[in-house]
Parts: sequence; C-alpha cells; structure tokens
Amino acid sequence: QLQLQESGPGLVKPSETLSLTCTVSGFSVSSSVYSWGWLRQPPGKGLEWIGTIYSSGSTYYNPSLKSRVTLSVDTSRNQFSLNLNSVIAADSSVYYCARRGFYSGSKRDFYYFDYWGQGTLVTVSS
Amino acid sequence: DIQMTQSPSSLSASVGDRVTITCRASQNINSYLNWYQHKSGNSPKLLIYATSTLQDGVPRRFSGSGSGTDYTLTISGLQSDDFATYYCQQSSSTTWTFGQGTKVEIK
Repeated sequence: QLQLQESGPGLVKPSETLSLTCTVSGFSVSSSVYSWGWLRQPPGKGLEWIGTIYSSGSTYYNPSLKSRVTLSVDTSRNQFSLNLNSVIAADSSVYYCARRGFYSGSKRDFYYFDYWGQGTLVTVSS
Repeated sequence: DIQMTQSPSSLSASVGDRVTITCRASQNINSYLNWYQHKSGNSPKLLIYATSTLQDGVPRRFSGSGSGTDYTLTISGLQSDDFATYYCQQSSSTTWTFGQGTKVEIK
C-alpha cells in the first residue's frame, strides 16, 4: 500500500527557510514513469501546486514560487523534499506531498495526483 | 497561467439530490481535467481524471464530462459521505492550476 508522510517543523520564522520531507513507503521514488509533487492550502483557501520532481532530478515549479523553491529527491532514503526560502506569513499553509500518476490513453497520456500525504501545517510567525 | 473557475462556490443539497458542479478554463485544456474531493482534516482524494475516467474505488454516482474549456462533475444521488469541497484541476500546461473549490453542504 503506497503511503506518503510529510515531516518537518510546524513553525518557521519570517525570512527563514521552510524545509519539509516526504517519506514514501510501498513504492519506489526511483520509478522512471512516476513523479512526485508538493502542494499547499492556505487556511480557508484553495489548493496550490508548488512543484513536481522526477527521480532523475528534473523539476517543474510554479512560476509564482520558482525563485524561492527547490525540490530534491533522495532515492537511497525513498524521500523527496521541499525547501522554500525567504518565507512570509502568506506561506502559512497545510503542505501536502503527492505522487503524480498517469494514464496512457490511446493517443496521449493524462496526469494527476493519485496518492497524497496527510498534510502538515506550517505556520510562519516570529 | 490557465485560470480555472468553478461554479457555484458553494451549494446546499439533500441526500438523494443530483448535484452538478461546473469548471471553466481560461483556455482550451483538451480534456486534461481532474476532479478531487476534499474533506476537512483529510487529504484530497482523486475522483476523476482525464475529464471522465473514475479513479479505482470511486462510486459510480460520480461522473465527469466536458471538453474544450467547460467541464462538469455530477453526483447522481448525493450521499451523506459526499458532503465535502470539490476541486477541479487542469494538467494541460506545465503549471498545474486548481479551481477555487465548491463546498457541498447539507440542506
């Protein structure tokens, strides 16, 4: 059974770096066909995609966060991580890690997030 | 970025009702449209991908349709377990975006 679990500090000071790790069990992050993502949901607001990383290390970032975000993957530990620097109060959110799954149709592939972690609340405050 | 607009933002319905949620993209997303169900305190759950394909284990009362810029999630025969917030999400562009959500509440 594939499971994802976020871990990291629940409180980060403004201007510092938010660092979270997602530990995957029941599936290998080394898979060449699946990739891994981070998303967040500020209190009372909707979902926002942060970025996606492949086991090769290739990344895609949300342009609105690209200058502050770094994703990495550690295949030896079966984990992937999020670093968000220079945080502000507006970065306070529940952060989710997820697997990007896919479906191969007759002519094209479709992608979605099919497995999610339970989420972890990160508050930015001094 | 492709903007996703859901309507309504919230609705009240009774068990057994047929519920329809609409999602409109700011440009053609060629059926690259997914739907998620999110209950407070839980992680989002994939319901439908590629506009109309039900994820494994999702009840058949959920269905999706649409093309181009306009998409619909329908719940045929609302159950008590279905009261939640629903999000559409496009995967047409490299920057994935979500609708603002539709909260389905008990009437």
